[in-house]
Amino acid sequence: AQTVTQSQPEMSVQEAETVTLSCTYDTSESDYYLFWYKQPPSRQMILVIRQEAYKQQNATENRFSVNFQKAAKSFSLKISDSQLGDAAMYFCAYLIQGAQKLVFGQGTRLTINP
Amino acid sequence: DAMVIQNPRYQVTQFGKPVTLSCSQTLNHNVMYWYQQKSSQAPKLLFHYYDKDFNNEADTPDNFQSRRPNTSFCFLDIRSPGLGDAAMYLCATSRGGAYNEQFFGPGTRLTVL
Repeated sequence: AQTVTQSQPEMSVQEAETVTLSCTYDTSESDYYLFWYKQPPSRQMILVIRQEAYKQQNATENRFSVNFQKAAKSFSLKISDSQLGDAAMYFCAYLIQGAQKLVFGQGTRLTINP
Repeated sequence: DAMVIQNPRYQVTQFGKPVTLSCSQTLNHNVMYWYQQKSSQAPKLLFHYYDKDFNNEADTPDNFQSRRPNTSFCFLDIRSPGLGDAAMYLCATSRGGAYNEQFFGPGTRLTVL
């Protein structure tokens, strides 16, 4: 069975600094996708960044980037120049190609200190 | 803007009184999902519809049912809510096919008195 593990239940960072959230996953599949979702307090879950497993290049979206280590089954999220609006619960998620079901990690609550 | 809409945003019901939550989408996606999310936990998939095909998760209680009368709408029915069913209920959609990025609605927070 596929599992996703986020080992950091909570993280905090000073505004304008960089923080890295960890995620590991377990799968025997070769074709899959990885996602980081952001869920601010009482607000909608939105996609932050996605990574296709067949791509070696790490995905980047503005201040958000990932470090995808396929052999190690690791998928960490780096947030640069942290802003107060980045405060949220962050979920790492995994999706097998062609499947319908997202497998979520337990989440990491990120606090930004002004 | 194309989106996933959930109504109501907040729902209060009494123990044992049936309740229906609504989800609609303007994305014209084939797949619609219902998740239950309790405080500080990951969303838990209850079931999903791929077009008209209903797919129930093995551990979803019988107390939870769903209907999808057309592409745009999907409903979650809780037949006899218990205190343990108080949670945020998230609706999501995806296109289907090889790549199924999911788009989430804002959720309905259910309180059971």
